[in-house]
Amino acid sequence: IAGITQAPTSQILAAGRRMTLRCTQDMRHNAMYWYRQDLGLGLRLIHYSNTAGTTGKGEVPDGYSVSRANTDDFPLTLASAVPSQTSVYFCASSVEGRAGELFFGEGSRLTVL
Amino acid sequence: DAKTTQPTSMDCAEGRAANLPCNHSTISGNEYVYWYRQIHSQGPQYIIHGLKNNETNEMASLIITEDRKSSTLILPHATLRDTAVYYCIVRVWSGGSNYKLTFGKGTLLTVNP
Repeated sequence: IAGITQAPTSQILAAGRRMTLRCTQDMRHNAMYWYRQDLGLGLRLIHYSNTAGTTGKGEVPDGYSVSRANTDDFPLTLASAVPSQTSVYFCASSVEGRAGELFFGEGSRLTVL
Repeated sequence: DAKTTQPTSMDCAEGRAANLPCNHSTISGNEYVYWYRQIHSQGPQYIIHGLKNNETNEMASLIITEDRKSSTLILPHATLRDTAVYYCIVRVWSGGSNYKLTFGKGTLLTVNP
């Protein structure tokens, strides 16, 4: 099935632990993004990647890192999770020339205790 | 960056047209207006976008005023499945990267039977 796959769907994590949220797309889109969504704050961009091998910081990058080793995968890592990182995380992608038309995954709900 | 203003919530009867307004009075000449929606617990979904001309696709129509300071998303025959939060977004240009979208709080559209 074409689209974006995120894993895990849901996770409870102890504070201080390391966590990687996985995102894979099979649409060969060049750009990929990670957003977090919190009640009352809408979606906020964490990191993005315009193309494989490059990444950039969004609005709220602190505490998160990303890598883009290939076109399909864009993992988001929390090196040492804190409770304020409890959120729903969405991965998205877009095709070159149509950068405003994002395709989103179904989200990963992360709870940090 | 151009900001958008949307009503917090709206109601619509099933089968009727839903007209969702958005104000973006500080929009600049090269900024597009994008509309997304998010059905509960799902990832956001791209609907439509435009620069200055009215646009229509299989999902909706977008009407942009001549001065581009506001727009209206029209769902011609709303169904219960159209109940969602609708986001009006003006595309942000930042640091040479054109791959960022800033989501606000959107309008919760409730379609009633």
